[in-house]
Amino acid sequence: KAGVTQTPRYLIKTRGQQVTLSCSPISGHRSVSWYQQTPGQGLQFLFEYFSETQRNKGNFPGRFSGRQFSNSRSEMNVSTLELGDSALYLCASSPGPIRDRGYNEQFFGPGTRLTVL
Amino acid sequence: AQSVTQLGSHVSVSEGALVLLRCNYSSSVPPYLFWYVQYPNQGLQLLLKYTSAATLVKGINGFEAEFKKSETSFHLTKPSAHMSDAAEYFCAVKNNNDMRFGAGTRLTVKP
Repeated sequence: KAGVTQTPRYLIKTRGQQVTLSCSPISGHRSVSWYQQTPGQGLQFLFEYFSETQRNKGNFPGRFSGRQFSNSRSEMNVSTLELGDSALYLCASSPGPIRDRGYNEQFFGPGTRLTVL
Repeated sequence: AQSVTQLGSHVSVSEGALVLLRCNYSSSVPPYLFWYVQYPNQGLQLLLKYTSAATLVKGINGFEAEFKKSETSFHLTKPSAHMSDAAEYFCAVKNNNDMRFGAGTRLTVKP
């Protein structure tokens, strides 16, 4: 099976712009979670989508949003970019949602490195 | 909410030496615990997981971890470090609706 793919791998934007990142989960996986990774804050949960519905959202401003399509592919959008949004954005997929009793693993993509100038 | 704390942001060992990376958790219910490894410019890869079965969990690349409820710990060990083990390691706990990660421990392996 192909792994989790994320596009683009690298992105450079300027303050005030918006950006859309894409994630294709492992075939058959219906849950996609997004994380922001920075040297100062570490790995922080952004949100999870399952069956096209947002299941949970982390403590991020409304500028961060996402969606999931019927084929389970997911996008996240950041509007009005700020310098502090520079980070590695990781996507992870799993067969079912995190809250499932039988949940026990997420598979991560390589990430998208966003630099905001 | 469940959380994990990794003791030591940097650990340095010599090649062939024991690797010990520490992780303590806080959880009001039996936890699901994980160790992930991240190599430069890559995503996270699962090393091993504890899901309330055996307390000694064996993972990939010779790593193992022992769940100790009395100490609320889930330390990661490897008997003999290899140069290729140099990476960042994350301990994580499944929360109700999300995953909580520790701050990470960067492992350096000296020749």
